[in-house]
Amino acid sequence: KNEVEQSPQNLTAQEGEFITINCSYSVGISALHWLQQHPGGGIVSLFMLSSGKKKHGRLIATINIQEKHSSLHITASHPRDSAVYICAVRRFGNEKLTFGTGTRLTIIP
Amino acid sequence: NAGVTQTPKFQVLKTGQSMTLQCAQDMNHNSMYWYRQDPGMGLRLIYYSASEGTTDKGEVPNGYNVSRLNKREFSLRLESAAPSQTSVYFCASSVLQGGQPQHFGDGTRLSIL
Repeated sequence: KNEVEQSPQNLTAQEGEFITINCSYSVGISALHWLQQHPGGGIVSLFMLSSGKKKHGRLIATINIQEKHSSLHITASHPRDSAVYICAVRRFGNEKLTFGTGTRLTIIP
Repeated sequence: NAGVTQTPKFQVLKTGQSMTLQCAQDMNHNSMYWYRQDPGMGLRLIYYSASEGTTDKGEVPNGYNVSRLNKREFSLRLESAAPSQTSVYFCASSVLQGGQPQHFGDGTRLSIL
């Protein structure tokens, strides 16, 4: 079983819908990252979380340390949000990141 | 705003050939990383360099070598390419190792025939 599991693997939605992408992990962590991989392949860091909630524009990331779960929400989704969203965790005492396999999001106009 | 620059963007090699993937960052970051990305799998760490002058193995180091040439540059070498090394390779950097957001290059798509 992977240490980091994302769901769903693929998500297609209509423009304007509220989007939720989930990330569950099985190890103790000191930080969780959300990243976005554009269709052209480039990867951008969106959030780094260790507790609570962060918001940037239409994107909101939450984490529940006790339940070992994080969610990425997109409000008022737009076709330009179409990308692969990747969750990654940093384990306690380990400086390296472990990545999930990503959620491919497609927003239809 | 160059950020992390990888060269080349695409490469096709024959089995047994060697090549070096180049990576340079202009953000004065201390830590640099090489990952590979394969279909259906998360990014996997090949090697990393916590600071200039140090390198360490990651999750999948076999068949690769690295050089941290200076603070800016971190190269990845395939001495004898194998079809199993067909992948997309990403270089990344961060201010410090551990938990800091990583900045990624655009990737190198490498095919080994």
